[in-house]
Amino acid sequence: DGGITQSPKYLFRKEGQNVTLSCEQNLNHDAMYWYRQDPGQGLRLIYYSQIVNDFQKGDIAEGYSVSREKKESFPLTVTSAQKNPTAFYLCASSRTQGGSYEQYFGPGTRLTVT
Amino acid sequence: GDSVTQMEGPVTLSEEAFLTINCTYTATGYPSLFWYVQYPGEGLQLLLKATKADDKGSNKGFEATYRKETTSFHLEKGSVQVSDSAVYFCALSRWSTGNQFYFGTGTSLTVIP
Repeated sequence: DGGITQSPKYLFRKEGQNVTLSCEQNLNHDAMYWYRQDPGQGLRLIYYSQIVNDFQKGDIAEGYSVSREKKESFPLTVTSAQKNPTAFYLCASSRTQGGSYEQYFGPGTRLTVT
Repeated sequence: GDSVTQMEGPVTLSEEAFLTINCTYTATGYPSLFWYVQYPGEGLQLLLKATKADDKGSNKGFEATYRKETTSFHLEKGSVQVSDSAVYFCALSRWSTGNQFYFGTGTSLTVIP
């Protein structure tokens, strides 16, 4: 079955540590996205990538970093510079060529930093 | 810039009641419009979509019509079930912005037996 996997589902870290969240897709999609969701709020875009080895900042990129070395993978690193990292993180992917396409979402990673 | 405004919740309905969740948008050009559903602790799932004016998206008894004259995409269902309890997000995208999505803040729906 095609889809998006995110691991782990729950992640706990101490303040001051960097942490990397995994996102893999086998849908052969060109574009991948990272969102942050806080309780009772909508989704805010962190970073997105439309092609391998290229990515752009979203609305709240500060304190985060990404890489896109393979089409299938788009890992997100939450650095110690992110002031309030505890949140639910969602990865998504979509086609991009020739039109507007729905985004497919992974199951999410809940990060807790204490 | 592009944006989506949807009605605030939470919304509580009895089983078999009629559901409407309002969604309006601001965008230049001709965006595509979407409704997503999120169950507790999970990612978002596409519920339905419409890509041009007057299109009606439908799925699992839910419907929404793309109204360009009122810039709206309201979600409706004639008879809700307990299993419809979730958070619903309205969203838009435009191909000219690289398929970047703009989401509403979500509307929480609880259906009671």
